[in-house]
Amino acid sequence: AQSVTQLGSHVSVSEGALVLLRCNYSSSVPPYLFWYVQYPNQGLQLLLKYTTGATLVKGINGFEAEFKKSETSFHLTKPSAHMSDAAEYFCAVILGGATNKLIFGTGTLLAVQP
Amino acid sequence: DTGVSQNPRHKITKRGQNVTFRCDPISEHNRLYWYRQTLGQGPEFLTYFQNEAQLEKSRLLSDRFSAERPKGSFSTLEIQRTEQGDSAMYLCASSSEGGAGQGAFFGQGTRLTVV
Repeated sequence: AQSVTQLGSHVSVSEGALVLLRCNYSSSVPPYLFWYVQYPNQGLQLLLKYTTGATLVKGINGFEAEFKKSETSFHLTKPSAHMSDAAEYFCAVILGGATNKLIFGTGTLLAVQP
Repeated sequence: DTGVSQNPRHKITKRGQNVTFRCDPISEHNRLYWYRQTLGQGPEFLTYFQNEAQLEKSRLLSDRFSAERPKGSFSTLEIQRTEQGDSAMYLCASSSEGGAGQGAFFGQGTRLTVV
């Protein structure tokens, strides 16, 4: 069963426009949710995470995400895209258990047009 | 640099050869993970160590794959008799003993190409 679904494998926005990358999860236990960014031929960098508490979380580079339990969503947003935001973005979840392993979505490639 | 370090960054090998990758985690992290990422996909979990103990292995980790973390510090991932389907990015990550909310810190990966 797919635990993380990212809608849209490719998203293109204009520089200065709103960025919205969608992520939905399935979990029978309270999840821990993460967004990672990957630049070409690089590893993954943590953008932000939700564990408990405030459902709107802010991360690096002006990104934020809101945990909506009723919608099982954790969409990533940024008010104004910059050319340097062009990268692949992965939503991930930890569903508990002893290992705390991350389960990733298939990723969304963000292109930013000048 | 106190991040996760992986070597080599790139490896090209002929089918049937053995390859070994190394991961040096963040020094105070006792949890270490290996993931595999193929083109157009998200990383997939391969195996997990807590200190020197390998506590979980994915069914993706066939008997040609072996991972070790002999002293609870660095880890190696060996692939024997490589196949073209093994071509992928192999990512190592580490985290501290804290709860699941820690997430994990990733290295830059080793890109394997089997020709």
